[in-house]
Amino acid sequence: QQQVKQSPQSLIVQKGGIPIINCAYENTAFDYFPWYQQFPGKGPALLIAIRPDVSEKKEGRFTISFNKSAKQFSLHIMDSQPGDSATYFCAPTIYNDYKLSFGAGTTVTVRA
Amino acid sequence: GAVVSQHPSWVICKSGTSVKIECRSLDFQATTMFWYRQFPKQSLMLMATSNEGSKATYEQGVEKDKFLINHASLTLSTLTVTSAHPEDSSFYICSASHTEYGYTFGSGTRLTVV
Repeated sequence: QQQVKQSPQSLIVQKGGIPIINCAYENTAFDYFPWYQQFPGKGPALLIAIRPDVSEKKEGRFTISFNKSAKQFSLHIMDSQPGDSATYFCAPTIYNDYKLSFGAGTTVTVRA
Repeated sequence: GAVVSQHPSWVICKSGTSVKIECRSLDFQATTMFWYRQFPKQSLMLMATSNEGSKATYEQGVEKDKFLINHASLTLSTLTVTSAHPEDSSFYICSASHTEYGYTFGSGTRLTVV
């Protein structure tokens, strides 16, 4: 049974647009909700993460929105730039105590 | 802080030979490290959890005799692909958990078996 469902599979936006990626999970024990950014040929890098005690977190142009009752969290990329073109993964887990459960990934393309 | 170094970044080997990939935590001690495999345009698939000083825990369907994992110190875990075949060609990525910075990933190793 799939624990994590990520959507959409791919996304194309114009520069300055706001791509939004969604992640739905099933395990209510998860308490750490990160988004990773991966460029071709590289390992994933932590972009931003949220704990369940807050509903939103902003770091620069990246925002996580968290809905505990719906068991969903999303990533918003504000004022997107061509350099943001990458694959993004959600990977909720039990913080530092468990393996990451990766979503299928979303390929974001930002056109100049 | 929390840097994970992975070597080599790419390797080509002949079918039937073995290949070792190293994963080091450079500025912290990692009791637990994780090994992933990623096929083109797909997500990361966890292969095994490596625990310092004990046997690795393999995910269902991963052959432990094929993918040997050794975590001999708090800063080094190795993955050895034994008797490699073309179907083992993939992108292998390690990760370590840091108490403050969360999960940090290596830069990955592209393995090509010819």
